Amino acid sequence: RKEVEQDPGPFNVPEGATVAFNCTYSNSASQSFFWYRQDCRKEPKLLMSVYSSGNEDGRFTAQLNRASQYISLLIRDSKLSDSATYLCVVNSYSGGGADGLTFGKGTHLIIQP
Amino acid sequence: DAGVTQSPTHLIKTRGQQVTLRCSPKSGHDTVSWYQQALGQGPQFIFQYYEEEERQRGNFPDRFSGHQFPNYSSELNVNALLLGDSALYLCASSPVGGEQFFGPGTRLTVL
Repeated sequence: RKEVEQDPGPFNVPEGATVAFNCTYSNSASQSFFWYRQDCRKEPKLLMSVYSSGNEDGRFTAQLNRASQYISLLIRDSKLSDSATYLCVVNSYSGGGADGLTFGKGTHLIIQP
Repeated sequence: DAGVTQSPTHLIKTRGQQVTLRCSPKSGHDTVSWYQQALGQGPQFIFQYYEEEERQRGNFPDRFSGHQFPNYSSELNVNALLLGDSALYLCASSPVGGEQFFGPGTRLTVL
């Protein structure tokens, strides 16, 4: 079983639509959770951290369910510029320091005009 | 602030050769992590350096080794290259326990 699993893509949605991504993780010791965005042939960039209480940043809302080991990302009123690959990421801690980030395979989103 | 920089941007090698990739962290960051991203996959953690020592390591063979210098810059070395080593190699820097910022990567092609 992969450590971080995401919805298969690509997602093709019309501009203005709401799109949801889901992700599950297998390591119950994971302590930090993130969504990263990666544009074609570019480096990943942090989109937002994910907290148990849920958090929102403009059109983006992230949710974490620790009991189910499930993470979600909701994008409202999608824009053409939202087209990218969205990576679900978890981080565990051991030996007193942060481990490397564990990435999902990513979900490719295409917003169509 | 120049952010995280990596060199070279592209590299072509043949099987069996050795390669060294370089990374300069963002100003104020002392931790450097390296990742391998194969086409169509998410980045995979290789190892992390802090205070010039390898602190954590992912599931990569000993052919992958690294170094961190006193100025926090880092190198990734890969020996005995295989075709399967072709990938984008990403360096990320962070303060201890902080957000990781990624460099633009080095695209390695092994023929």
